Amino acid sequence: QVTLKESGTGILQPSQALSLTCSFSGFSLSTTGICVSWIRQPSGKGLEWLADICWDDGKGYNPSLKNRLSISKDTSNNQAFLKITSVDTADTATYYCARRPFITTTLDYWGQGVMVTVSS
Amino acid sequence: DIQMTQSPSSMSASLGDTVTINCLASQDIGNYLSWYQQKPGKSPKLMIYGATNLEDGVPSRFSGSRSGSDYSLTINSLGYDDEGIYHCHQYYEYPLTFGSGTKLEIK
Repeated sequence: QVTLKESGTGILQPSQALSLTCSFSGFSLSTTGICVSWIRQPSGKGLEWLADICWDDGKGYNPSLKNRLSISKDTSNNQAFLKITSVDTADTATYYCARRPFITTTLDYWGQGVMVTVSS
Repeated sequence: DIQMTQSPSSMSASLGDTVTINCLASQDIGNYLSWYQQKPGKSPKLMIYGATNLEDGVPSRFSGSRSGSDYSLTINSLGYDDEGIYHCHQYYEYPLTFGSGTKLEIK
């Protein structure tokens, strides 16, 4: 059974760094083709893909967030991480991680999401 | 970036109706298109992948189609459980992108 669960800082002040962890089970990020993505959704708005990391340590980033994103993984502990630097109120959102079973396939399993609020 | 123009932004339909939601890709994405259903406070649920393939466990009332760069999600025999927000998503190339969502209300 595939499950993913996000965790991270709930409330941040502007300019701080946001660190998120995706803990998963039922698959391994060492399996050929597998990727884990991060997606966010401000309240009442659409979905925005942020980044993903694949089995071979290949990474993709959303250029709209420029150099603020950093994605990494700990294969042994079945975790993926996302760091966003210099947050501001526009980063307030629910953050999801999701699996892609192969790099050419879509996001099939999603975590429940973690809400992050940036406020002074 | 590939833009996904989704329409309508919201719609209301009656029990038993058939509805169609559309997504237009700004460039060729082949069949690298999926549809998600999202309920309030929940994460998106995969309904259709590869433009036309039904995800396991999804009722056959849901179907996806493609005509060039136009993609559609059709729901037949609407039930109350179909209420929610539907998102299209292209996974052809980075950055992966989503449509703006369609809120479906059942009258």
